[in-house]
Amino acid sequence: KNQVEQSPQSLIILEGKNCTLQCNYTVSPFSNLRWYKQDTGRGPVSLTIMTFSENTKSNGRYTATLDADTKQSSLHITASQLSDSASYICVVSAEQAGTALIFGKGTTLSVSS
Amino acid sequence: KAGVTQTPRYLIKTRGQQVTLSCSPISGHRSVSWYQQTPGQGLQFLFEYFSETQRNKGNFPGRFSGRQFSNSRSEMNVSTLELGDSALYLCASSLSGTRVSYEQYFGPGTRLTVT
Repeated sequence: KNQVEQSPQSLIILEGKNCTLQCNYTVSPFSNLRWYKQDTGRGPVSLTIMTFSENTKSNGRYTATLDADTKQSSLHITASQLSDSASYICVVSAEQAGTALIFGKGTTLSVSS
Repeated sequence: KAGVTQTPRYLIKTRGQQVTLSCSPISGHRSVSWYQQTPGQGLQFLFEYFSETQRNKGNFPGRFSGRQFSNSRSEMNVSTLELGDSALYLCASSLSGTRVSYEQYFGPGTRLTVT
């Protein structure tokens, strides 16, 4: 069964600290993996998209890694800011006719001062 | 370039009624996907339309339907509303769909409450 599991479910960190969010998936055949940031009451915004051949991609203070062999991805946030407080969602796309997106349930990050 | 717009933003309906939600994609985008987001289930894929054709469908009952017009605008309809249909409904547009690595842009969502 195609699944995407994220951990931790929630996380509280102090402003300025780094953190890493995890995503494990059992999706086959794999097409790409995306990380989204969703602020409360708003639609998700894409942070990174990685295909099978990519193992690291950065977007400012956000760095995503992908290990296609172990089917794991991580999102590392450097020097966190209060504005990083949001839900971070890992999404895996399966390569098949049409579109099949499998969503993780997200990690809720709270950055406090 | 204007982003994805969804109307209405908020909606309250009574159980048994039906509802139609609207989504206008970014200009030039031909793919529109719909999602349901609830606190318990997270984001779940409803369906995707590309060039007026449903290209893929998630695991939702037939009460959920959609269509896409020639200008790529899309509507989603839910008939015989149930309390469990209360959710944030999101639409997303992309140039060609999500099977390849095209960026997908989400709208702000429609918050549907069923009483």
